[in-house]
Amino acid sequence: GAGVSQTPSNKVTEKGKYVELRCDPISGHTALYWYRQSLGQGPEFLIYFQGTGAADDSGLPNDRFFAVRPEGSVSTLKIQRTERGDSAVYLCASSFYAGPRGGEQFFGPGTRLTVL
Amino acid sequence: SQQGEEDPQALSIQEGENATMNCSYKTSINNLQWYRQNSGRGLVHLILIRSNEREKHSGRLRVTLDTSKKSSSLLITASRAADTASYFCATADAYSGAGSYQLTFGKGTKLSVIP
Repeated sequence: GAGVSQTPSNKVTEKGKYVELRCDPISGHTALYWYRQSLGQGPEFLIYFQGTGAADDSGLPNDRFFAVRPEGSVSTLKIQRTERGDSAVYLCASSFYAGPRGGEQFFGPGTRLTVL
Repeated sequence: SQQGEEDPQALSIQEGENATMNCSYKTSINNLQWYRQNSGRGLVHLILIRSNEREKHSGRLRVTLDTSKKSSSLLITASRAADTASYFCATADAYSGAGSYQLTFGKGTKLSVIP
């Protein structure tokens, strides 16, 4: 019955390294979203999953970013060759339905990524 | 990219006063939502208003929507110190390609309620 969980809560890495961020959505939620929030800004959409498939990845900034959701539940956001500009809080959200019927998205606490 | 623009960027009021935050957006929407965020981490959903609705209430919250002006307002009545947080409006577009219903957020209003 827990909410959306994300691990790790904080990640510090060096420029050029690979990182994985994990999201556990609310059980039974079919839609899963990743957002990125830079300091002083609102969250910006990265990618949306409906079930196992990435239905919309138009927000991914470049091909260093990739996300998977192999069993339609847990999702992993993967960032290759990290750059300092990738530093941000990465937020995951889930909803029972996709689309306007679903409306409300439930957010996790986020992973704060710092690239040195 | 950010769709919404919240106004003001920061607001400081005394406990017990009302707080009003405004949001403007650019495209046609299906619904508009308000979220609250403490300390730059997870967002909490407050209220959703659909494009065919003009006003909605939830406890001490009142939201209005004017689709002709592409704007919304969030009113928090009888504010408390615990209301101190950042407040974001987020829109779900009426026309979303590939069936995605991503939310597009504004930059937020930082509310401080002084005890």
